[in-house]
Amino acid sequence: GGIITQTPKFLIGQEGQKLTLKCQQNFNHDTMYWYRQDSGKGLRLIYYSITENDLQKGDLSEGYDASREKKSSFSLTVTSAQKNEMAVFLCASRQGNTGQLYFGEGSKLTVL
Amino acid sequence: GDQVEQSPSALSLHEGTGSALRCNFTTTMRAVQWFRKNSRGSLINLFYLASGTKENGRLKSAFDSKERYSTLHIRDAQLEDSGTYFCAAEAGDTNAYKVIFGKGTHLHVLP
Repeated sequence: GGIITQTPKFLIGQEGQKLTLKCQQNFNHDTMYWYRQDSGKGLRLIYYSITENDLQKGDLSEGYDASREKKSSFSLTVTSAQKNEMAVFLCASRQGNTGQLYFGEGSKLTVL
Repeated sequence: GDQVEQSPSALSLHEGTGSALRCNFTTTMRAVQWFRKNSRGSLINLFYLASGTKENGRLKSAFDSKERYSTLHIRDAQLEDSGTYFCAAEAGDTNAYKVIFGKGTHLHVLP
């Protein structure tokens, strides 16, 4: 079976800092996703990518950049961290023939 | 407003009983998935439906694209079923592969 690896698992940043999260998958899936999870708000889609070098904005893309450098890798950048921001960022990939999403374990961001 | 409206936001069940979670969609969706958050915080895929119903053990899910809703039925609830459940809907052709989540249902199974 495959796996989705998110790094780092925990990220502490300063206000205004640019912070990058990385996601790797070895499923060979075409489509990948970045979601933000806040307590009581479910998962909100930030960016997704249908194939290598493709980027599609989700509902929460403002304040973020993304990069699909290669099929197995999808990075997310917080362009300017907000003070007291705390959230979990989840990466997922989509299995082509079934449509099922598989998730990583998340990256927890804390901004001091 | 939200494209995926999930209800209830919280649910308590006694062991052995059952209930249903529901997601309503404001637009036509082409598929739905249901997830459960496990004890480590990871999201585990329970079902993927493009139409009709699917059943797995004590769980059964249905999706009606035309009527814009999906349900997840839990029967004979067990303590280990406690957790947060999410539905996620895949948008139509104009936003192929865009997957939007509901806000989740916190299920608490009581002894």
